[in-house]
Amino acid sequence: GQSLEQPSEVTAVEGAIVQINCTYQTSGFYGLSWYQQHDGGAPTFLSYNALDGLEETGRFSSFLSRSDSYGYLLLQELQMKDSASYFCAVPRMDSSYKLIFGSGTRLLVRP
Amino acid sequence: SAVISQKPSRDICQRGTSLTIQCQVDSQVTMMFWYRQQPGQSLTLIATANQGSEATYESGFVIDKFPISRPNLTFSTLTVSNMSPEDSSIYLCSVPITVGGNEQFFGPGTRLTVL
Repeated sequence: GQSLEQPSEVTAVEGAIVQINCTYQTSGFYGLSWYQQHDGGAPTFLSYNALDGLEETGRFSSFLSRSDSYGYLLLQELQMKDSASYFCAVPRMDSSYKLIFGSGTRLLVRP
Repeated sequence: SAVISQKPSRDICQRGTSLTIQCQVDSQVTMMFWYRQQPGQSLTLIATANQGSEATYESGFVIDKFPISRPNLTFSTLTVSNMSPEDSSIYLCSVPITVGGNEQFFGPGTRLTVL
């Protein structure tokens, strides 16, 4: 089967840098996605890594190590509006269009 | 991206009743998915809504409980039947917007509370 593990909660201060980790177990692997979900909102796509390395999109970066079955989302210059839940997700091997989500990490940004 | 609307945005229902949730997309899409998100939990795929054929359900979800319609390529409905408090969740539809599906766009969700 496929499963993903994330820390349940992370707290950081405004302006700081925070890293949200995700480890996965899967018999096959296409890539790792990250989604952000504010309370009461819909999940929104942040990034996708199919290859090893760091992908940067503004204040957010995502990293993947396929050999370690590990990835992380890096948020820099934290802002209060970054307080949200963050989910890693992998496509299923039987259909890449079907996603398996991690349990989610709730990020609280303090002033 | 896509513009997805869902109706209703929220509802409070009595146990034993049924609720039909609508999902409308602003463009034709081949695949539409329905997810459930229980309070404080992650997203779980319920089924794939197929146009012109029956929906494909995931393990643990059955057609009698969650009948789905997909009359065309822009619209789908999910019905939550014979509801119990355990059905209290957010129900979301999604569509893939990249080939391979690694990027999906979600509707705003329907927040259901069953008393």
